[in-house]
Amino acid sequence: SQKIEQNSEALNIQEGKTATLTCNYTNYSPAYLQWYRQDPGRGPVFLLLIRENEKEKRKERLKVTFDTTLKQSLFHITASQPADSATYLCALAGGSTLGRLYFGRGTQLTVWP
Amino acid sequence: DVKVTQSSRYLVKRTGEKVFLECVQDMDHENMFWYRQDPGLGLRLIYFSYDVKMKEKGDIPEGYSVSREKKERFSLILESASTNQTSMYLCASSGTVPTNEKLFFGSGTQLSVL
Repeated sequence: SQKIEQNSEALNIQEGKTATLTCNYTNYSPAYLQWYRQDPGRGPVFLLLIRENEKEKRKERLKVTFDTTLKQSLFHITASQPADSATYLCALAGGSTLGRLYFGRGTQLTVWP
Repeated sequence: DVKVTQSSRYLVKRTGEKVFLECVQDMDHENMFWYRQDPGLGLRLIYFSYDVKMKEKGDIPEGYSVSREKKERFSLILESASTNQTSMYLCASSGTVPTNEKLFFGSGTQLSVL
């Protein structure tokens, strides 16, 4: 069965630095990959989607890369701020049931002043 | 903005009770999903639906059923609640794949079964 690993449960960085979160997957060939942000006690909120034929996607201070050879996605937040502190989830879709997403367990990011 | 509304924010039930969790979306989305989220386990899919009256099992359907009589409403039913069903339950919806794949989540229902 497919396996998704976000290989840091927690990441602490200083304000202004770039946060880099990793999502690795095995036994899977996703059609696309998504990143979500989740604040405590709230539902996840969509951030970015990147397709299997795309290498990189940007949105303001966010950047996502997708390497289907390495089976890995990197999620970057540049010039990080304390307000970026949250849990970030990666999710993969594809196969026989498009629209269904498989989620990683998330990485809790803390940005300290 | 898309709004996904879950009927209860917090719910406390007794073991053996039948529990209904309601979810309504206002964007005419075809797809609706029920997930549960537990510390250390992440989001796990319980059931999903691609159309009215259609449902498919997710990864952990045991002990649950669902109902989708109208396009905007997707209900999760715990037939006989047990303590191991204490969890955060999240409903989500999405539009037609492949152009509208992102999920919109509700705020969640924290269910405690005593």
